[in-house]
Amino acid sequence: DQQVKQNSPSLSVQEGRISILNCDYTNSMFDYFLWYKKYPAEGPTFLISISSIKDKNEDGRFTVFLNKSAKHLSLHIVPSQPGDSAVYFCAASGGIQGAQKLVFGQGTRLTINP
Amino acid sequence: ETGVTQTPRHLVMGMTNKKSLKCEQHLGHNAMYWYKQSAKKPLELMFVYSLEERVENNSVPSRFSPECPNSSHLFLHLHTLQPEDSALYLCASSPWRGGTLTDTQYFGPGTRLTVL
Repeated sequence: DQQVKQNSPSLSVQEGRISILNCDYTNSMFDYFLWYKKYPAEGPTFLISISSIKDKNEDGRFTVFLNKSAKHLSLHIVPSQPGDSAVYFCAASGGIQGAQKLVFGQGTRLTINP
Repeated sequence: ETGVTQTPRHLVMGMTNKKSLKCEQHLGHNAMYWYKQSAKKPLELMFVYSLEERVENNSVPSRFSPECPNSSHLFLHLHTLQPEDSALYLCASSPWRGGTLTDTQYFGPGTRLTVL
């Protein structure tokens, strides 16, 4: 059973507009959430994270929103740029002593059109 | 300088071969991880090492054998693999700060493994 789901395998957005990527989770023990970005032939790169004690975290053009009651988080990118075209992974953690066990979603391929 | 490096980047092996994947991190981290990414599937955690001791093994078949000789190096020894083991194998590392949940994992570029 998949605990972290990204139901949109792909998303296409025009340059300059807002990109919204969504992620749902089922495990209420998760208390830390991350977004990673992956280009072809590279490993995932950390983008932004949020703790369950917050409902919003912003870093430049990237904002992550967390709705704990709905077990839903989203990543907003505004304005979208061509370099944002990549696969975006949502990940969640419940934490274990000494290390962090991340559970990943399947990913959403974002394409920014000029 | 790349924080986490993996070698080789590509590997083709037969089912009877023995090979090893290598990961090295230059970030001073204390925890290291092996992940498997198969086509159209989420990243799957395989092994976690914290302070050079294995703390997690997600029911991975014994044909995969990890080794963590020190906090900077992680190996994945492969033997008698099956074609369905073909995947991208990613290594990651993170700092350990006694249970804090605010640490992120930093990934290497991965090794693309093909088993014939």
